[in-house]
Amino acid sequence: DAKTTQPTSMDCAEGRAANLPCNHSTISGNEYVYWYRQIHSQGPQYIIHGLKNNETNEMASLIITEDRKSSTLILPHATLRDTAVYYCIVGYYDMRFGAGTRLTVKP
Amino acid sequence: NAGVTQTPKFQVLKTGQSMTLQCAQDMNHNSMYWYRQDPGMGLRLIYYSASEGTTDKGEVPNGYNVSRLNKREFSLRLESAAPSQTSVYFCASRGGYNSPLHFGNGTRLTVT
Repeated sequence: DAKTTQPTSMDCAEGRAANLPCNHSTISGNEYVYWYRQIHSQGPQYIIHGLKNNETNEMASLIITEDRKSSTLILPHATLRDTAVYYCIVGYYDMRFGAGTRLTVKP
Repeated sequence: NAGVTQTPKFQVLKTGQSMTLQCAQDMNHNSMYWYRQDPGMGLRLIYYSASEGTTDKGEVPNGYNVSRLNKREFSLRLESAAPSQTSVYFCASRGGYNSPLHFGNGTRLTVT
C-alpha cells in the first residue's frame, strides 16, 4: 500500500491558491516527498519534490512540516488547466501511488 | 530526446495469450518501473528495478515477469493474459532515489 493519505477530492476557484494536503506519518529519514499530477489518462507529470526544506519552482510550492509527517502542495494561482488528479508519493526506491486528490478548478 | 518510450501503444489479447511490453529510456537513468492503472484508479506498482541487474516486486506482481535487459531497457511479460489484466501500463525511469520519475505515454492493453 501507498505510504500517503490524501483527501479524495477538492475544489478551488480559478485564480485562487489551491492547497493540497498529504499525510505521510511513516516517512523515514532518507525518503523524499514527491508530487505528481495526472490529466485524463496521460502519464503522470512531475511537479516538485523535497526532503526537509520547503521548495518552490515555476509550477508550485511544497511545504513540509518540521516532523516531516505531512506536507502541502500549493498552486499559487490555480487555472482551469490545473484540474487534474494530484498524487503525493513518499519512498526510497519502492514508489507507490495512492488514489490521489482530484482537484477541480472552477470558473 | 525521446525520454521514456513504450511499445506498443495499444494491444488486444485473447485470454491465455502471452506478450511482452517494451520500455526504453535514453536518459541514462539507473532505476526503472512498471505500473498499471485501471479505470478510475490510481497507479499501482507492479515491479521495479532500482539498478541494472536487480528487480523487485511491487504491490501487484502476480501474473507478471520482468527483465532488466540492460541499463536502457526494462520489459514486462504477461505469460498467460487474463481479463483482469486489462489496464493501461506505464513505464517510468529515474536517476536515483532523490530524483523524480519520468513516465512514458502508456500501453493500453485489453484482454478479451
